Amino acid sequence: SYELTQPPSVSVSPGQTASITCSGDKLGDKYACWYQQRPGQSPVLVIYQDSKRPSGIPERFSGSKSGNTATLTISGTQAMDEADYYCQGWDTSTGLFGTGTKVTVL
Amino acid sequence: QVQLQESGPGLVKPSETLSLTCTVSGVSINTYYWSWIRQPAGKGLEWIGHMYSSGSTYYNPSLKSRVTMSADTSKNHFSLKLSSVTAADTAVYYCARLPNTSGSYGFDNWGQGTLVTVSS
Repeated sequence: SYELTQPPSVSVSPGQTASITCSGDKLGDKYACWYQQRPGQSPVLVIYQDSKRPSGIPERFSGSKSGNTATLTISGTQAMDEADYYCQGWDTSTGLFGTGTKVTVL
Repeated sequence: QVQLQESGPGLVKPSETLSLTCTVSGVSINTYYWSWIRQPAGKGLEWIGHMYSSGSTYYNPSLKSRVTMSADTSKNHFSLKLSSVTAADTAVYYCARLPNTSGSYGFDNWGQGTLVTVSS
């Protein structure tokens, strides 16, 4: 079955850059999105259409995609960015979330 | 602004049907698509399905035989029914808005989530 694979964890120092990858055989066929989920909270959309930021999302969040791999980059990471991050894609009309990455700001 | 609020029983017995409602405020459910997503404790997100108010539905193939989604436009809410539940269906259930069926805009508004526990 189709899966979206992310690294389980990423550690980053405050002010540095964190990058999270998402790989899937069909990811290149449709747009990818990214969500941030802080502990005990609902997910929040931070990137849509591979690289666009919704209103209110800080500029330090950026997205890109090359072939079947999407990447979320957090530049100048802040303590408040410590959270779980999920990529999300589509297999025709079937939604699919990535395995999730825990970002720790050390 | 758009707000979504899940409601329904927090405890369901095994083999019974889980029923949840998502009440939407700030926008008519006659526009956009509406989704259900769940998350078992300590685990990742799972897309359950989405629907349009006209009745078009799209379900996760792994759950399709047990899922029904419907909408009540007069109450501006939509619902989820999941039949023959087991402990594996214990999760926080979220409703969310999907601006278009291609999914290119993502799930842009989420409810706060409601915990449903399957136990006798």
